[in-house]
Amino acid sequence: QGQLVQSGAEVMQPGASVKVSCKASGYTFTSYGINWVRQAPGQGLEWMGWISAYNGYTNYAQNFQGRVTMTTDTSTTTAFMELRSLRSDDTAVYYCARDVSMDVWGQGTTVTVSS
Amino acid sequence: DIQMTQSPSSLSASVGDRVTITCRASQGIRNDLGWYQQKPGKAPKRLIYATSSLQSGVPSRFRGSGSGTEFTLTISSLQPEDFATYYCLQHNTFPLTFGGGTKVEIK
Repeated sequence: QGQLVQSGAEVMQPGASVKVSCKASGYTFTSYGINWVRQAPGQGLEWMGWISAYNGYTNYAQNFQGRVTMTTDTSTTTAFMELRSLRSDDTAVYYCARDVSMDVWGQGTTVTVSS
Repeated sequence: DIQMTQSPSSLSASVGDRVTITCRASQGIRNDLGWYQQKPGKAPKRLIYATSSLQSGVPSRFRGSGSGTEFTLTISSLQPEDFATYYCLQHNTFPLTFGGGTKVEIK
């Protein structure tokens, strides 16, 4: 069981920041971590990082270190992913997925970076 | 980082065919491997976890096997709804890494 519902599509200017949300329901939020994965158009899946919903501990992929921040709000059982200094090659679908084993996925959020 | 080398990158097959997809890890990952199916415009869906355990609701024609560094997804009799892209994921060690994907197309 469990469901993840993500926020809607975003169109951003280069250099801006985007914050995507992932609302969890149907399970104990603090029992699982949340991963963020992105998929550029026509490309494969790229892991961005993981956050523990229990204690907020994070592990970020090297490619995103310094540019990404993952947080959680246990009062609303929501995870957030903020990506800064957006570039055109950040245009992608961003997914959240539960647990390191990624058993439950959000529906995806399309982020388009364009001037 | 653990590299996941997935092969083939694409294949053409007919309904009823047996299909095999392989992922090779650059170092041992115990059985910390899952297989995912993705259809166009949709989120990935987990088919197999812990190398060989079938996700609830997934047809038994999907089978995972392997250990250590070599892992296989087998579809015993390809059905029309199985035409999709398949990915493996290792979750033994951060950074988590996916295979490059295998696109299964209709012959």
